[in-house]
Amino acid sequence: GQQLNQSPQSMFIQEGEDVSMNCTSSSIFNTWLWYKQEPGEGPVLLIALYKAGELTSNGRLTAQFGITRKDSFLNISASIPSDVGIYFCAGPNSGYALNFGKGTSLLVTP
Amino acid sequence: KAGVTQTPRYLIKTRGQQVTLSCSPISGHRSVSWYQQTPGQGLQFLFEYFSETQRNKGNFPGRFSGRQFSNSRSEMNVSTLELGDSALYLCASSLDGLETQYFGPGTRLLVL
Repeated sequence: GQQLNQSPQSMFIQEGEDVSMNCTSSSIFNTWLWYKQEPGEGPVLLIALYKAGELTSNGRLTAQFGITRKDSFLNISASIPSDVGIYFCAGPNSGYALNFGKGTSLLVTP
Repeated sequence: KAGVTQTPRYLIKTRGQQVTLSCSPISGHRSVSWYQQTPGQGLQFLFEYFSETQRNKGNFPGRFSGRQFSNSRSEMNVSTLELGDSALYLCASSLDGLETQYFGPGTRLLVL
């Protein structure tokens, strides 16, 4: 399937800092999704992007659908300890399946 | 609206046994997908069902199978369990498979 490359692999930051992570693909996607997963739980949808160039916010989270349709970015402003988790980007293929990146692990210290 | 529910949440089996996992989608969602999550391979697609029909299958052996009932609930079965089948099995539902997928909490399977 289409491979999604996420970076960075992990981040260790202090509370209050801003966070940026991105996801790139060799193929074009028509939808980009960002999920957060906490230990022992399933991924929770944070933001869905449906149009190239689209910039969407959800509270302190902002995500953008790249113009080339081959990348997406997620920013978290003023991080707090409950932002800890693994953030995944995902894109649907034509076969009703989601392709996922390997995730960005975020640790926030008080 | 209730989310996706999965049962059981935890399961311990031994090699050679079989296991059945259950998933109830969000009310009104007709598409159910299953994923396997492991530390090494990440999230990998197993199969997707819509209106009781499997529309797509990932690259997993035939020991992995599933089905969907008329009420959209789905079950996944793994036969002849292997140690490498230890994983978090996630179910996701969407309106028709092309819309955004919402995940359940997963079933953590440990094969000894």
